[in-house]
Amino acid sequence: DIQMTQSPSTLSASVGDRVTITCRASQSISIWLAWYQQKPGKAPNLLIYKASSLETGVPSRFSGSGSGTEFTLTITSLQPDDFATYYCQHYHGLGTFGQGTRVETK
Amino acid sequence: QVQLVQSGPEVKKPGSSVKVSCKASGGTFSSAIIIWVRQAPGQGLEYMGRAVPLRGFVNYAQKFQGKVTMTADKFTSTAYMELSSLRSEDSAIYYCAKAHLGYCDGTGCYSDAFDIWGQGTRVTVSS
Repeated sequence: DIQMTQSPSTLSASVGDRVTITCRASQSISIWLAWYQQKPGKAPNLLIYKASSLETGVPSRFSGSGSGTEFTLTITSLQPDDFATYYCQHYHGLGTFGQGTRVETK
Repeated sequence: QVQLVQSGPEVKKPGSSVKVSCKASGGTFSSAIIIWVRQAPGQGLEYMGRAVPLRGFVNYAQKFQGKVTMTADKFTSTAYMELSSLRSEDSAIYYCAKAHLGYCDGTGCYSDAFDIWGQGTRVTVSS
C-alpha cells in the first residue's frame, strides 16, 4: 500500500497568515491527490482534487500544488473559519490518507 | 444534489458484528465508487476499502481484510459495511463517501476525489 506522510502534525498560526502543509507519497501517485478539511464532529469536506484543482464553492485562498511524490496545500490568508484539521488523500485505486495537520490559533 | 444518509448509532458487545448502511438520497450509485473510512476518537481518518456497485467490485485495505465486508445494491442505491469480531479498538465513527467512477481496467477501478460524504455512524464496542 502507498503511504502518505503529512507535515507538520500541528501548525500554530494567526488570522491573515500564509499557511503551507506538505504531503509526501511513498511512491509516485502522479496528480491523484486530494485535500480535505475536517471540523470537529463533522465529515471531511473536499477542498482540492487532482493535486491543484479547486473544488466548486471552495474559497480561492486555498490552493494545491505538486505531482509525483510531493504535494502542498497553501492557504494564502488564514481566516477564522479555516482553523480545522486538514488531510491529504491518495485516491487513485485503493487510497490512503495522511495523518492530518491540525491548524490551531497561535 | 445527492446526499448520503447513514444508519444510526450502534452499541455492540465485543465479538459481535455490526452492519452500517449508507443510502444515496436524491441520486443513485449508477456511476460511483463508495469508500468507507473510520475515525477513532481523537484520531485521523483511516481508509477501510471501496466498492463499485455497477461492477460488483470490492477492494479492502490490507489491515481490514478478513475483518470487513462491503456490499452495495445499485438498485436501492444503498451501500453496506459489515465489521466482524468487534473489539474495543473498533469503536469509532464510520463514514461512507462517494466519488464519480472514472473507469475500470484490468488493474482495478478508478475514480475522482470523494466529494460527497455521509454524516457518519458512531459505533461503540463495550461489554
